[in-house]
Amino acid sequence: GESVGLHLPTLSVQEGDNSIINCAYSNSASDYFIWYKQESGKGPQFIIDIRSNMDKRQGQRVTVLLNKTVKHLSLQIAATQPGDSAVYFCAERGQAGTALIFGKGTTLSVSS
Amino acid sequence: KAGVTQTPRYLIKTRGQQVTLSCSPISGHRSVSWYQQTPGQGLQFLFEYFSETQRNKGNFPGRFSGRQFSNSRSEMNVSTLELGDSALYLCASSLAGGSWETQYFGPGTRLLVL
Repeated sequence: GESVGLHLPTLSVQEGDNSIINCAYSNSASDYFIWYKQESGKGPQFIIDIRSNMDKRQGQRVTVLLNKTVKHLSLQIAATQPGDSAVYFCAERGQAGTALIFGKGTTLSVSS
Repeated sequence: KAGVTQTPRYLIKTRGQQVTLSCSPISGHRSVSWYQQTPGQGLQFLFEYFSETQRNKGNFPGRFSGRQFSNSRSEMNVSTLELGDSALYLCASSLAGGSWETQYFGPGTRLLVL
């Protein structure tokens, strides 16, 4: 069946470090992937997305990498800041009108 | 442009009651999806509405229902509440629900069933 999972439930880093959050997906037909950040008491906030016809996409301090061969997705955050502390979810979608399928989430803790 | 808004933000109900939650999408967005978030199950898809029609439905019992109005606002209803329905209910909107469209989430409605 379809599922999206994250490799680690928690990740602790020091302020200024680069963070890498990983996600594995099982549906090879998925063609759209999104990373969300969720802070306590808030809804998921869009960070960055990538289509299956791309391998890499960069935003401000964030980069998403997609490896379709091994069905792996990663989010890289450069110069991690305390404000980056949150739960990060990856999500996938297969076709128009189908649901986003979310992984369990990785809690990123940034200490200063 | 205002984001997705959800009302109420917090709700306490007792078992057996019913509840209606409301979602106003981003202006111009016509697709509205609902998700349930719990610590144990994570984020799970409930249903999606587009042009007042339910286009997709997740694996939830019939007690969970929804609708969409002509202005794209959406409501979801849960009847005969159970303790396990306690969760954060999230609404997300996108332009038309296309496969490469981003969904933007509201702050959610926190439902506690006693």
